[in-house]
Amino acid sequence: GAVVSQHPSWVICKSGTSVKIECRSLDFQATTMFWYRQFPKQSLMLMATSNEGSKATYEQGVEKDKFLINHASLTLSTLTVTSAHPEDSSFYICSASKGGGQDTEAFFGQGTRLTVV
Amino acid sequence: GDSVTQMEGPVTLSEEAFLTINCTYTATGYPSLFWYVQYPGEGLQLLLKATKADDKGSNKGFEATYRKETTSFHLEKGSVQVSDSAVYFCALRWGNKLTFGTGTQLKVEL
Repeated sequence: GAVVSQHPSWVICKSGTSVKIECRSLDFQATTMFWYRQFPKQSLMLMATSNEGSKATYEQGVEKDKFLINHASLTLSTLTVTSAHPEDSSFYICSASKGGGQDTEAFFGQGTRLTVV
Repeated sequence: GDSVTQMEGPVTLSEEAFLTINCTYTATGYPSLFWYVQYPGEGLQLLLKATKADDKGSNKGFEATYRKETTSFHLEKGSVQVSDSAVYFCALRWGNKLTFGTGTQLKVEL
């Protein structure tokens, strides 16, 4: 299957700083990439959907100025958590798909554990 | 909106036991249904899927049947192994949006 690589796997940052998380599709071109947030013992919550070369579509309740998403190429999307605070500590997961159809498989990165101290 | 409800875990079984993880969904359309598995320290992997009513998805001994009348997609395996220990997520897809259940942790012991 296709491989999606997420970097870093974990990061600790100080409150008020910004953190960038990368999501790369290694062996395919990802038309669409998705960013999720997962709280302990809870479901994956979709934060935003991004298509290459266009602005991301954010889910209701997600602050677009705080969670900056860039999908500059068909193989790379980045999520930047700006002015991070302890409540932003979470597990962030990206996924990528080759198309947008209902049967198109999504491939997931291994996730990034963010801890804000 | 669309939602997925799956049984809470953890589920602890002995090796070779029968597994059922219940999943029900609410959707306005006719979604595709998925089971994903997340092994410790790894990303989610697609385990199986079904795209229409009465379809049965199967992989690695796991099965799930798309039941439109009961809006369910229960995951089953006849004989689990220690290596099946992981977190299992039920999900539905409508358009390009995936909606996940909360996940069920499975622990299989010798």
